[in-house]
Amino acid sequence: SQKIEQNSEALNIQEGKTATLTCNYTNYSPAYLQWYRQDPGRGPVFLLLIRENEKEKRKERLKVTFDTTLKQSLFHITASQPADSATYLCVLDDKIIFGKGTRLHILP
Amino acid sequence: DAGITQSPRYKITETGRQVTLMCHQTWSHSYMFWYRQDLGHGLRLIYYSAAADITDKGEVPDGYVVSRSKTENFPLTLESATRSQTSVYFCASSESHGYSNQPQHFGDGTRLSIL
Repeated sequence: SQKIEQNSEALNIQEGKTATLTCNYTNYSPAYLQWYRQDPGRGPVFLLLIRENEKEKRKERLKVTFDTTLKQSLFHITASQPADSATYLCVLDDKIIFGKGTRLHILP
Repeated sequence: DAGITQSPRYKITETGRQVTLMCHQTWSHSYMFWYRQDLGHGLRLIYYSAAADITDKGEVPDGYVVSRSKTENFPLTLESATRSQTSVYFCASSESHGYSNQPQHFGDGTRLSIL
């Protein structure tokens, strides 16, 4: 069956540095992959979608890469800020399989 | 304001009771979804609907019933609640053309506790 894994349960990054979150998947080749942000007590909010034929996607300080050979997506937040602290979820869109998420803490 | 709303935000009930969670969206999105979110499991799909009167099972449908008589509403019913159904429930919607390639818009969830 399809499996999706996100790196570590929590990630602490110093303010101003680049945060990199990892999403690995197995037993599947998704046509799309999405990233969401979730704050405590709130529903997930869509951030970026990347297709299998796109190597990289950017939106302001956010960048997503998609390596179909490694079966991996990387999510980068550059010049990180304390307001970026949240849980970030990746999802194999075709199968609607969500990863468990990575809690990101940006330390001032 | 347009959006997706869930009600109630919090609910406490007892085992064996029937409880219905409501979801309403104002975008006229074709697709709607119900998830549960538990520690250690992340978001898991319960049921989804491609249009009014069309519903299908997700990963964890047992013990749940859904209906979609109107495009804007997608209620989730626990016919006989069990403690294992204590969770946070999220509703989401997305535009037509299928759920692939379309972002989902989530409500803020219903925190359900079953005693």
